[in-house]
Amino acid sequence: TQLLEQSPQFLSIQEGENLTVYCNSSSVFSSLQWYRQEPGEGPVLLVTVVTGGEVKKLKRLTFQFGDARKDSSLHITAAQPGDTGLYLCAGAQTNAGKSTFGDGTTLTVKP
Amino acid sequence: SAVISQKPSRDICQRGTSLTIQCQVDSQVTMMFWYRQQPGQSLTLIATANQGSEATYESGFVIDKFPISRPNLTFSTLTVSNMSPEDSSIYLCSIKRTGHYEQYFGPGTRLTVT
Repeated sequence: TQLLEQSPQFLSIQEGENLTVYCNSSSVFSSLQWYRQEPGEGPVLLVTVVTGGEVKKLKRLTFQFGDARKDSSLHITAAQPGDTGLYLCAGAQTNAGKSTFGDGTTLTVKP
Repeated sequence: SAVISQKPSRDICQRGTSLTIQCQVDSQVTMMFWYRQQPGQSLTLIATANQGSEATYESGFVIDKFPISRPNLTFSTLTVSNMSPEDSSIYLCSIKRTGHYEQYFGPGTRLTVT
């Protein structure tokens, strides 16, 4: 069974602080996605990483795929209340089947 | 990406009844998934519903309890049968395009069983 473990599970910070969320597995994935979900909505795709060591930036968000393609991290710089939500990582071994989802990180950014 | 809608957005149902959730996609897709999610928690896959084949259920989920229809490439339904309070959850449909890794999600259906 492929598992994706996220840490921390909960994170509560003040506006302006930086944070990093981790997504780790013992399995190798062909690609890894990060999603953000706000209450009352479905998860929304933030990024896909496919190459070991790849770094992608989306405004204040920086995503990194581990060299061995078993782990990933999401770093947020100068967090804002609008970043509040549930962050999910998901790994795919092929592009022809289901993805494995991590257990989620709930982020609260206080004004 | 895709525009995915679900009906109903929420419902309160009595124990022992059934509810059918509809999922409509604005374009044709082969792979569709149904998930269950407790508020603030991760996703639990119920089944994969690819058009043209029987739905594939994950461990712990059975067709008698969660029958799925996939009549065409833009539509699917999930029925939650003989409901109990333990079925109270958010139900999400999701799609994945052939040759792509990403999944896209509907807004969810919040079900409360009393």
